[in-house]
Amino acid sequence: NAGVTQTPKFRILKIGQSMTLQCTQDMNHNYMYWYRQDPGMGLKLIYYSVGAGITDKGEVPNGYNVSRSTTEDFPLRLELAAPSQTSVYFCASSRGLNTGELFFGEGSRLTVL
Amino acid sequence: DAKTTQPNSMESNEEEPVHLPCNHSTISGTDYIHWYRQLPSQGPEYVIHGLTSNVNNRMASLAIAEDRKSSTLILHRATLRDAAVYYCILSMFGGGMNRDDKIIFGKGTRLHILP
Repeated sequence: NAGVTQTPKFRILKIGQSMTLQCTQDMNHNYMYWYRQDPGMGLKLIYYSVGAGITDKGEVPNGYNVSRSTTEDFPLRLELAAPSQTSVYFCASSRGLNTGELFFGEGSRLTVL
Repeated sequence: DAKTTQPNSMESNEEEPVHLPCNHSTISGTDYIHWYRQLPSQGPEYVIHGLTSNVNNRMASLAIAEDRKSSTLILHRATLRDAAVYYCILSMFGGGMNRDDKIIFGKGTRLHILP
């Protein structure tokens, strides 16, 4: 059982480039989330989805886009990378908040130079 | 969203119990209390959650005040592996595809374990 899988694990981007962080879960969870974590800081919610076809903005959505065409996949797109987007990105999924647990991926470390 | 307040850092001796406090004075009746922890260079991992009653699992215990305005995560016998940042989080009960269902992390408490 793979759980939540994120790719790539590491990436260096130049300012203005675009890229997509992939997130896939095999637990048939309805809820999926993208967080970012800057060095020494807590996690900030970027976008989340409560089911296929439904996405909502979190605390820090600017500069990002998401889609949720299937239950399994929740990609995060950076359109015009900026140095302020240098961070570690975590994808998570859960069956339902009242049933407990978010499952997190291993993280994707992104550096924008 | 209801907010939580936690101490920035705490220290404890190895093999002793640890009580990590969390204040959430604006909690609503439908908010669940969740605890996660994040070990160095890893993603967060679930510890425990509850609504009104105290909860126990293999990792920890959660003690919830009668008025629900505060809670305490209890590690019964701390080990060096328990050194991490511990996050106390409130989330609304959604019961389905509720667009308000989201978990917001605060800054957490950095727990240091002294050998």
